[in-house]
Amino acid sequence: QKEVEQNSGPLSVPEGAIASLNCTYSDRGSQSFFWYRQYSGKSPELIMFIYSNGDKEDGRFTAQLNKASQYVSLLIRDSQPSDSATYLCAVNKGGTYKYNFGTGTRLKVLA
Amino acid sequence: SAVISQKPSRDICQRGTSLTIQCQVDSQVTMMFWYRQQPGQSLTLIATANQGSEATYESGFVIDKFPISRPNLTFSTLTVSNMSPEDSSIYLCSVVEYSYNEQFFGPGTRLTVL
Repeated sequence: QKEVEQNSGPLSVPEGAIASLNCTYSDRGSQSFFWYRQYSGKSPELIMFIYSNGDKEDGRFTAQLNKASQYVSLLIRDSQPSDSATYLCAVNKGGTYKYNFGTGTRLKVLA
Repeated sequence: SAVISQKPSRDICQRGTSLTIQCQVDSQVTMMFWYRQQPGQSLTLIATANQGSEATYESGFVIDKFPISRPNLTFSTLTVSNMSPEDSSIYLCSVVEYSYNEQFFGPGTRLTVL
């Protein structure tokens, strides 16, 4: 079982819709959770992080964490074609700065 | 967040040669990491660059193949030694700033080995 799992996609959503990206992790001791956006040919860009159960909102982005079920999700409201990218989920166990990355979900927002 | 630069941005190298990649940060950072991202794949951590001491390598990566230096709190180098076409990849450095937990990535170095 991979430590961090994501559906590779592509996930296609129409412009203006909500895109929902999911990530599950295997280590119950995981403490910090991160979402990165990576455009083709570019390096990953941190867009959200969440440390506590519940929701965290930042503009059009909402991160949701459920430690009991071991999943973290990213919602993108009012999706735009410019949101088309690969979204990487990263998990940190605590006691170290090292992350485990998922393989990423490719999102396509259709104009 | 810190501004991170990498040199070179890309290179095409011959089999058997070595390439040194530089990572420069505009402020002191607590942690520096080196990752590899092979085509269509996610990020794989190569090693943690430790300031003033030997890097800490992840399983499957060895110092002879990927020597790393970090002489101070703003600079690190990764050398890819005795390259083969399988080393063709994007190499990324990332940093963690003091008082934070989040990693930020440099722009990456795209390496092609012929």
